[in-house]
Amino acid sequence: ETGVTQTPRHLVMGMTNKKSLKCEQHLGHNAMYWYKQSAKKPLELMFVYNFKEQTENNSVPSRFSPECPNSSHLFLHLHTLQPEDSALYLCASSQSGGVVTYEQYFGPGTRLTVT
Amino acid sequence: DQQVKQNSPSLSVQEGRISILNCDYTNSMFDYFLWYKKYPAEGPTFLISISSIKDKNEDGRFTVFLNKSAKHLSLHIVPSQPGDSAVYFCAASNYNQGGKLIFGQGTELSVKP
Repeated sequence: ETGVTQTPRHLVMGMTNKKSLKCEQHLGHNAMYWYKQSAKKPLELMFVYNFKEQTENNSVPSRFSPECPNSSHLFLHLHTLQPEDSALYLCASSQSGGVVTYEQYFGPGTRLTVT
Repeated sequence: DQQVKQNSPSLSVQEGRISILNCDYTNSMFDYFLWYKKYPAEGPTFLISISSIKDKNEDGRFTVFLNKSAKHLSLHIVPSQPGDSAVYFCAASNYNQGGKLIFGQGTELSVKP
């Protein structure tokens, strides 16, 4: 596997379900991100992890719970979601450190539908 | 308040001609700008970037221009090819924000043969 992978690619869940999205990066990066893309809207940053530590929570509701066990893996745990949470969820990674680089590399996304 | 705006949701261009995609921003503290391309069912892929100390960066058929006084950047694709048909997002960042990217809404480019 190369780049950034995400599983599952598609997910349909009911409002009472609990599910998790998984992201894995094979680029040796130390920063990982979750974005949400709703139809006709810009990508919205949800969470940022640098060296496994959460450094940004962009006012995301608690029904979204991120987890970063190591610098290569990122999860987004979902519970009691609402239909308006249906969107494309994108994971990205980048290298950050003394010399900041801004290029983020994205996975293919998980298309989530909440029924 | 949207800090990065792409006011054209779509653009249609003939193959071989120039495609010009525009992006405006409001935050004068942004110091790095990027363009991403996105095909359906795929994540955005990095295309080209420019630092605020430059006004032009070129990579093959792609050139990004930055006009800091107007808070405007544009992406030129010459010549346009049908494979360039995709959604293009501009993004901006500030060093002090640790590389956090603010994205525009995207412009869907269609290059017709």
